[in-house]
Amino acid sequence: EAQVTQNPRYLITVTGKKLTVTCSQNMNHEYMSWYRQDPGLGLRQIYYSMNVEVTDKGDVPEGYKVSRKEKRNFPLILESPSPNQTSLYFCASSVGPNSPLHFGNGTRLTVT
Amino acid sequence: EDQVTQSPEALRLQEGESSSLNCSYTVSGLRGLFWYRQDPGKGPEFLFTLYSAGEEKEKERLKATLTKKESFLHITAPKPEDSATYLCAVQTSGGYQKVTFGTGTKLQVIP
Repeated sequence: EAQVTQNPRYLITVTGKKLTVTCSQNMNHEYMSWYRQDPGLGLRQIYYSMNVEVTDKGDVPEGYKVSRKEKRNFPLILESPSPNQTSLYFCASSVGPNSPLHFGNGTRLTVT
Repeated sequence: EDQVTQSPEALRLQEGESSSLNCSYTVSGLRGLFWYRQDPGKGPEFLFTLYSAGEEKEKERLKATLTKKESFLHITAPKPEDSATYLCAVQTSGGYQKVTFGTGTKLQVIP
């Protein structure tokens, strides 16, 4: 089954404790991206990647890092999480830059 | 700055009561407009892409249309299983994967 898989689904952590959210897709898609979803603000892009080793900032990149060492994986790294990063995070992939996005089922992060 | 506004924020319909959701946008260089459906606890699921004014797409009880300033998602004779949040997103010429989402319309269809 074609899918985007995120882990974990739920994560509670404390301020400053580094964490990684993993994302993997099995559709051989070139493009991958990370979004956060907050009430009243909608989905906002954090980072995106056009191919292996090619990444760029989205609209809200501060406090986040990404890497794309393999085509299928695109982890999101929070080196020093803060409470304002409490949110619902989605990873997405697509065939091309103008193609529809395929989303994972989300990671709900709480930073206390 | 690109802006996408969806209305209403929430909509409650009786089963069989047709209605429309609106997505208005102000962007520079529209490449495409997307509609997604999001169920609670899940990621958005792609429904339609529209590329130019006048274009229409249909899928079961849903029909999406596009003008130069807005898009409508028409729901004909909805069923309870159509209950979800519907998201509109625009892709612009502001770079690769530059996608701006609206905040969604939460639709509830009552039996």
